[in-house]
Amino acid sequence: DAGVIQSPRHEVTEMGQEVTLRCKPISGHDYLFWYRQTMMRGLELLIYFNNNVPIDDSGMPEDRFSAKMPNASFSTLKIQPSEPRDSAVYFCASSLQTGSSYGYTFGSGTRLTVV
Amino acid sequence: GENVEQHPSTLSVQEGDSAVIKCTYSDSASNYFPWYKQELGKRPQLIIDIRSNVGEKKDQRIAVTLNKTAKHFSLHITETQPEDSAVYFCAGTSYGKLTFGQGTILTVHP
Repeated sequence: DAGVIQSPRHEVTEMGQEVTLRCKPISGHDYLFWYRQTMMRGLELLIYFNNNVPIDDSGMPEDRFSAKMPNASFSTLKIQPSEPRDSAVYFCASSLQTGSSYGYTFGSGTRLTVV
Repeated sequence: GENVEQHPSTLSVQEGDSAVIKCTYSDSASNYFPWYKQELGKRPQLIIDIRSNVGEKKDQRIAVTLNKTAKHFSLHITETQPEDSAVYFCAGTSYGKLTFGQGTILTVHP
């Protein structure tokens, strides 16, 4: 398996523009998580899905952020409109809860810069 | 929800010394405690984990201990090497999601 795949790796956009980050989880994993990492706030959980259904979005900072998971192999995180304070590295992770291992695996991340 | 506190925030050691990083958690229902290592510009990667029915686990130079009564767990790295330099994160689990500590920047000086 290729692991969790995120795109793009880097994104530079102007304030006010829409940004869409993409994630393909590991096949067979039924949990998908979106995290944001900054120096000040560390790794923050934004939202997570179980079997494509959003379970907890309490970490989404505000209405400008939205996430979808239309099928088991694809998820998007959208920011509209983007602001400079959204600059961060966004990680997607997926996991399979079993009795022996959670298998929590991160993607390579998307480094977002909003200017 | 789960709250995980990690300390120290930075740790500097000489090559060959041991390093210890400690975490506390709040949710008594947490039953899985992984540790991740993140090198500069890379993704966090799992290095060791422990479940609540185990008190200690070891993998070569890395060990993790868990005290459920006190709600704390620790990462121990022995015979540190320069390539151990990275940011280390602990995490607690509640309802299938990981809550991370703030991270410890470990620097191993040759």
